[in-house]
Amino acid sequence: AQSVTQLGSHVSVSEGALVLLRCNYSSSVPPYLFWYVQYPNQGLQLLLKYTSAATLVKGINGFEAEFKKSETSFHLTKPSAHMSDAAEYFCAVSVSGGTSYGKLTFGQGTILTVHP
Amino acid sequence: GAGVSQSPSNKVTEKGKDVELRCDPISGHTALYWYRQSLGQGLEFLIYFQGNSAPDKSGLPSDRFSAERTGGSVSTLTIQRTQQEDSAVYLCASSYRQGAEQPQHFGDGTRLSIL
Repeated sequence: AQSVTQLGSHVSVSEGALVLLRCNYSSSVPPYLFWYVQYPNQGLQLLLKYTSAATLVKGINGFEAEFKKSETSFHLTKPSAHMSDAAEYFCAVSVSGGTSYGKLTFGQGTILTVHP
Repeated sequence: GAGVSQSPSNKVTEKGKDVELRCDPISGHTALYWYRQSLGQGLEFLIYFQGNSAPDKSGLPSDRFSAERTGGSVSTLTIQRTQQEDSAVYLCASSYRQGAEQPQHFGDGTRLSIL
């Protein structure tokens, strides 16, 4: 079975500072990896996805993530934080085969706070 | 509509009552998923539909939970004899077709509170 660990349930940065949200995965088969963002009282919005085409993935709102197989990591970064980036971020994994059919397994989430 | 639509957005009910939660996926999306989001358990998979069939029901927590999908479109999640531990946000997602690489598009969820 696959799993995801997000290191740090809360991350706080200053506006304009680098954002780094950590995600490590466990999977016995090649994974597909996703980052989603959730604003209060809303559903999840896809930021970016890794599907093996390229290890550095660019997403919406200036976010990007790098897949590192040797480290089993898929950390999310943004060079300069904006106040509007304050939200909860979820890393998720999906695998092919068996009965998985693309169901997502999520990490516990990281709440990002951005200070002026 | 343009996105996944869920109704009601909020539901408050008494313990022991039955509830129905509705999901309208994006038009043309064949795969539909239900997830539950709660403080203690995070985001959990409940059930997956491909068309009107449910190949994977492994996440349903008990036999009080059931779901169906009709016409390859609308899905209803039913919880019978609700318990307080059923309080959570129930999220529906759809994707164009089944597959691990397919991005899932989420609705805003139904917030269920059991008194």
